[in-house]
Amino acid sequence: DAKTTQPTSMDCAEGRAANLPCNHSTISGNEYVYWYRQIHSQGPQYIIHGLKNNETNEMASLIITEDRKSSTLILPHATLRDTAVYYCIVRPEMDSSYKLIFGSGTRLLVRP
Amino acid sequence: GAGVSQTPSNKVTEKGKYVELRCDPISGHTALYWYRQSLGQGPEFLIYFQGTGAADDSGLPNDRFFAVRPEGSVSTLKIQRTERGDSAVYLCASSPLGLAGGRRSYNEQFFGPGTRLTVL
Repeated sequence: DAKTTQPTSMDCAEGRAANLPCNHSTISGNEYVYWYRQIHSQGPQYIIHGLKNNETNEMASLIITEDRKSSTLILPHATLRDTAVYYCIVRPEMDSSYKLIFGSGTRLLVRP
Repeated sequence: GAGVSQTPSNKVTEKGKYVELRCDPISGHTALYWYRQSLGQGPEFLIYFQGTGAADDSGLPNDRFFAVRPEGSVSTLKIQRTERGDSAVYLCASSPLGLAGGRRSYNEQFFGPGTRLTVL
């Protein structure tokens, strides 16, 4: 079973920041937080991952709380192309199979 | 460069038939994964290959499902005696997985577009 809880759906206006929350209250010390997204009719796409420090790349920022029980993915200036299902996944980096356990994700709708 | 490709993009078959789904991973990627995704659900792990061997097949639902990767590159997912409940999008992903600079690199998985299987 997925170890994360996410809202079923969210929406935001184009050009504004999209903040997608994720609860992972049972996360273990060696587990990373990964975010993937899936645009309609495509395979999932990696966005970002982190352990305990905040991370930023060209796609997004990841804010992880100090107790690591929750995190927020931030898309700073959402565009219509960011409409997708966003999955928050926790997984040990050293897991023997590295498989991803997806939940149902958050369906983000970016409004014009 | 070329990403992960999957063929066919769509497959319609009749209940009881045998199907094969093909995955061409990114060149040089040693790890390969199969997932399946039912409508409205997140992808569900099926099997993981490291090189030619199936390192984790714990997600295969039953013995009608089988996958091979004989030369450590292309993989084929085989489904025998298909049932209507097998209808889903079957996704393949690959990863470079390995050591980088003395520490294990993060394992980003690169997904293909999937094969939509419909069992009538």
